[in-house]
Amino acid sequence: QQPVQSPQAVILREGEDAVINCSSSKALYSVHWYRQKHGEAPVFLMILLKGGEQKGHDKISASFNEKKQQSSLYLTASQLSYSGTYFCGTEWEDSGAGSYQLTFGKGTKLSVIP
Amino acid sequence: GAGVSQSPRYKVAKRGQDVALRCDPISGHVSLFWYQQALGQGPEFLTYFQNEAQLDKSGLPSDRFFAERPEGSVSTLKIQRTQQEDSAVYLCASSLVAPPAGEAFFGQGTRLTVV
Repeated sequence: QQPVQSPQAVILREGEDAVINCSSSKALYSVHWYRQKHGEAPVFLMILLKGGEQKGHDKISASFNEKKQQSSLYLTASQLSYSGTYFCGTEWEDSGAGSYQLTFGKGTKLSVIP
Repeated sequence: GAGVSQSPRYKVAKRGQDVALRCDPISGHVSLFWYQQALGQGPEFLTYFQNEAQLDKSGLPSDRFFAERPEGSVSTLKIQRTQQEDSAVYLCASSLVAPPAGEAFFGQGTRLTVV
């Protein structure tokens, strides 16, 4: 039961804003956001825990809507360096004893062009 | 080390060959994860170690896949009798704390191609 990310891909001009959504059909405990550039390791961006919180650093922030079981990643005033594939990884509330995995979505490919 | 290190970066194996993939986690990190990433997909969980104990191996696709972390540091993922569907990038990640909600640092992965 993989989280669903939308959109699948987005193209931005430098300076434009974007929102990437991550939705789960199961109650979430946490959402982890990563960015991966081609041929490189996924890089950690932030974790959000249930309880509905918002986090951010620089011009990248995220929110966690517990009622909707959804997290959104906000990229404002995008830079060329923001290009890459963004993944959300989820931990569920009822993963059960002995489950330690993050379940990742299929990713959102973001391309920022000059 | 400064980050998670994986070796080799690339591996080409003939079908039926055994392979061993190595992961050096960040020093002192308790948790170690292995993930498999197919082209254009998100990472898929394979197995989890807390120190030397393998606490979750629910993601290993078959009994041809075996992982170990004997001293709670370096880990090896072994694949026996490789098949073409095993071709993927194998990612290792480590975290200072045990799940849930620990920040995980990924290595660059080993790209395995089975021919």
